[in-house]
Amino acid sequence: GAVVSQHPSRVICKSGTSVKIECRSLDFQATTMFWYRQFPKKSLMLMATSNEGSKATYEQGVEKDKFLINHASLTLSTLTVTSAHPEDSSFYICSALWGQGRYEQYFGPGTRLTVT
Amino acid sequence: KQEVTQIPAALSVPEGENLVLNCSFTDSAIYNLQWFRQDPGKGLTSLLLIQSSQREQTSGRLNASLDKSSGRSTLYIAASQPGDSATYLCAVRGGGGADGLTFGKGTHLIIQP
Repeated sequence: GAVVSQHPSRVICKSGTSVKIECRSLDFQATTMFWYRQFPKKSLMLMATSNEGSKATYEQGVEKDKFLINHASLTLSTLTVTSAHPEDSSFYICSALWGQGRYEQYFGPGTRLTVT
Repeated sequence: KQEVTQIPAALSVPEGENLVLNCSFTDSAIYNLQWFRQDPGKGLTSLLLIQSSQREQTSGRLNASLDKSSGRSTLYIAASQPGDSATYLCAVRGGGGADGLTFGKGTHLIIQP
């Protein structure tokens, strides 16, 4: 299957700082990428849909000014958590959509964010 | 709003057994359905993808079925092994195709050696 990488895998930051997470589709071009958040022992919650070259579409309840998404190329999307607070600590997973018509989604390995 | 339910929430069986994981969804207007596996602290691995026009897909010891009209899917695992222990997630994609997936809460599976 297709490969999606995510960097960093773990990050610890202080409250008030910003953190950037990168998501790359390594062997295919993805016009659409998604960002999910997962709390312990919970399922994935879609945060936003990112389309290359346009503004991201955020799910209800997700602050777009806090979670900045940039999809600058067909293989790279970034999520920046601005002015992070302890309640932003979570597991963030990106995903890339592959295949015209087939629409199969591949996921990155996730980023564990801890805000102290 | 689409809702996805997975039953059971947890399952523990001896090695070698065949087992079935269930998934149901409230809105039958889906584009496709994917089954994933997630190991602790890791991302998701895609297991099977079933398009809305298909009834089932098979990969090795895994078989997934889809009954779109009734809003149900099952994942059948044959001859289970300890390495199958993981959380299995069912997710559906809306009718538009490029929509994000809606996930169930998963079935936490433990295969006892």
